[in-house]
Amino acid sequence: QVQLVQSGAEVKKPGASVKVSCKASGYTFTGYYMHWVRQAPGQGLEWMGRINPNSGGTNYAQKFQGRVTMTRDRSISTAYMELSRLRSDDTAVFYCARAFDTAMAPAWFDPWGQGTLVTVSS
Amino acid sequence: EIVMTQSPATLSVSPGERATLSCRASQSVSSNLAWYQQKPGQAPRLLIYGASTRATGIPARFSGSGSGTEFTLTISSLQSEDFAVYYCQQYNNWRWTFGQGTKVEIK
Repeated sequence: QVQLVQSGAEVKKPGASVKVSCKASGYTFTGYYMHWVRQAPGQGLEWMGRINPNSGGTNYAQKFQGRVTMTRDRSISTAYMELSRLRSDDTAVFYCARAFDTAMAPAWFDPWGQGTLVTVSS
Repeated sequence: EIVMTQSPATLSVSPGERATLSCRASQSVSSNLAWYQQKPGQAPRLLIYGASTRATGIPARFSGSGSGTEFTLTISSLQSEDFAVYYCQQYNNWRWTFGQGTKVEIK
């Protein structure tokens, strides 16, 4: 079955960086875009960006431009999201999600990873 | 950016009753709308895409309707496992946005 398994919880200090991984299985990794979504405690969902696992091409939300880097390793079917210059308000659960985007049209997300809690605290 | 507004913020419903959730887009998104369910401590789960197409394995009591700027998610007869937060998402342009969520709670 299609599955996305993310790396474990992290605790970081302000100003540091965090890199979250998302390992895909059960489908052709390079055939689907991978998106990343942030959810602050008790809050809603916020789109961060996406990566084309085939080409490595990325698109980032303006809010995170300059702080986020999405990469992938095709050999192990894993996508990564790195967020730098962390602040306390970056404390959140980060999700990866497979998307059915095509070159011509954006699409919905299914499935989602289980989420990775990143806590930013001094 | 397309702003998605969901109402109500909280919906109190008794088991077996119908629940109707609304989602409004700040500009037309055609039928490029999805609904997700999220339970505490879990990731969101896709329910509906294309405004009205149920995802694989989703029970028939979940239905979606609407197009343009007004959308509705209906749960025809609430089961205990349906109490959760529901989010709408537009994917009409290359900047995906979500509503703030509707919490469906037990009355």
